[in-house]
Amino acid sequence: SQTIHQWPATLVQPVGSPLSLECTVEGTSNPNLYWYRQAAGRGLQLLFYSVGIGQISSEVPQNLSASRPQDRQFILSSKKLLLSDSGFYLCAWSSRIRNQPQHFGDGTRLSIL
Amino acid sequence: AQSVTQLGSHVSVSEGALVLLRCNYSSSVPPYLFWYVQYPNQGLQLLLKYTTGATLVKGINGFEAEFKKSETSFHLTKPSAHMSDAAEYFCAVSEGNKLVFGAGTILRVKS
Repeated sequence: SQTIHQWPATLVQPVGSPLSLECTVEGTSNPNLYWYRQAAGRGLQLLFYSVGIGQISSEVPQNLSASRPQDRQFILSSKKLLLSDSGFYLCAWSSRIRNQPQHFGDGTRLSIL
Repeated sequence: AQSVTQLGSHVSVSEGALVLLRCNYSSSVPPYLFWYVQYPNQGLQLLLKYTTGATLVKGINGFEAEFKKSETSFHLTKPSAHMSDAAEYFCAVSEGNKLVFGAGTILRVKS
């Protein structure tokens, strides 16, 4: 069966520090991969998605970036965190077949001080 | 572009009462629809999905949803609420490789 792993579960970072969140998927090949953010009172915001290695689509311009160095690995990064980057970050995967459900990881709670 | 509207950001029911969470969608093509549940500090878990075929879809944890094309609705129901159903629920419609989510409805279950 397929599983998705995100780490760390919680992270506290100072303003201006870098960020790296990692997500890996097991048990499937060639998945679509997604990064979302949930900020208080703002619902689910799609940040990036990827349909293949090195292929990244950005949904919201900001100081975050994403990379997909391997087929089942998706990384969310920032060079300098802002207070507004606080939130709950979720990674998800789906089949390449269109209109399929997405399957989510357990999330990372990021607090910026 | 597809869109989803969830009526009621908060719904409160008594334990054992009917749960009804409303979802209306807008789609220019036959929709693929989903309901997810999110417990505090956890990811989203798929409850059920509608693709084609039977309009009444059964999901996990006793939930079901009915697709009504004429009303562009996909409401989520459960006959008898349990305390463990307290969570946030999201309706979503597929848009190619992406999902368009509603704003979510927080379900509170009173004892």
